[in-house]
Amino acid sequence: GENVEQHPSTLSVQEGDSAVIKCTYSDSASNYFPWYKQELGKGPQLIIDIRSNVGEKKDQRIAVTLNKTAKHFSLHITETQPEDSAVYFCAASTDTGNQFYFGTGTSLTVIP
Amino acid sequence: GAVVSQHPSRVICKSGTSVKIECRSLDFQATTMFWYRQFPKQSLMLMATSNEGSKATYEQGVEKDKFLINHASLTLSTLTVTSAHPEDSSFYICSAIDGNNQPQHFGDGTRLSIL
Repeated sequence: GENVEQHPSTLSVQEGDSAVIKCTYSDSASNYFPWYKQELGKGPQLIIDIRSNVGEKKDQRIAVTLNKTAKHFSLHITETQPEDSAVYFCAASTDTGNQFYFGTGTSLTVIP
Repeated sequence: GAVVSQHPSRVICKSGTSVKIECRSLDFQATTMFWYRQFPKQSLMLMATSNEGSKATYEQGVEKDKFLINHASLTLSTLTVTSAHPEDSSFYICSAIDGNNQPQHFGDGTRLSIL
């Protein structure tokens, strides 16, 4: 089955700096890669996603890049703000199933 | 759009009690719903997948008689933790999907505490 690894597990950045979180996956059949943000005591919220037919997607301060050959994808947050502090999860899934395989999460702290 | 409502948000009850958690998709029809369990500072652990009108598919190691799942309509799934014990205390989260290869939309979770 699919195995998703996520790094780093914790990340601290100064406000205004960029943050990058990286994930790798093992199943070449995976073709959908969402990113979720989970605040304390709440459920994960989808912040951006990418499909395997594109290499990069951007939404304001958030961007995701995908390298299918190397089987890795990354989340980039620019101009970080304290409200970006949360746990971020990457995930991978395929066309043939609805199951998401989640990474282990990254706890991001933005220091004012 | 794509709002999932989960209720209750928090439950505290005595050991031996059965607890029902509801998960509703408010503005879309959920072909599939998922139930997860999350321990502190850990990732989401999939417990089961349910499709409307059919039996849930449980992940290995999850007791189906302990965690009863019902998906009676396209907008509602319930998880019942039967005869709950302190080791069942956890954060339970549901999600719903409205088609294949679409994003999962999550509820805000239920914090279950068994005394």
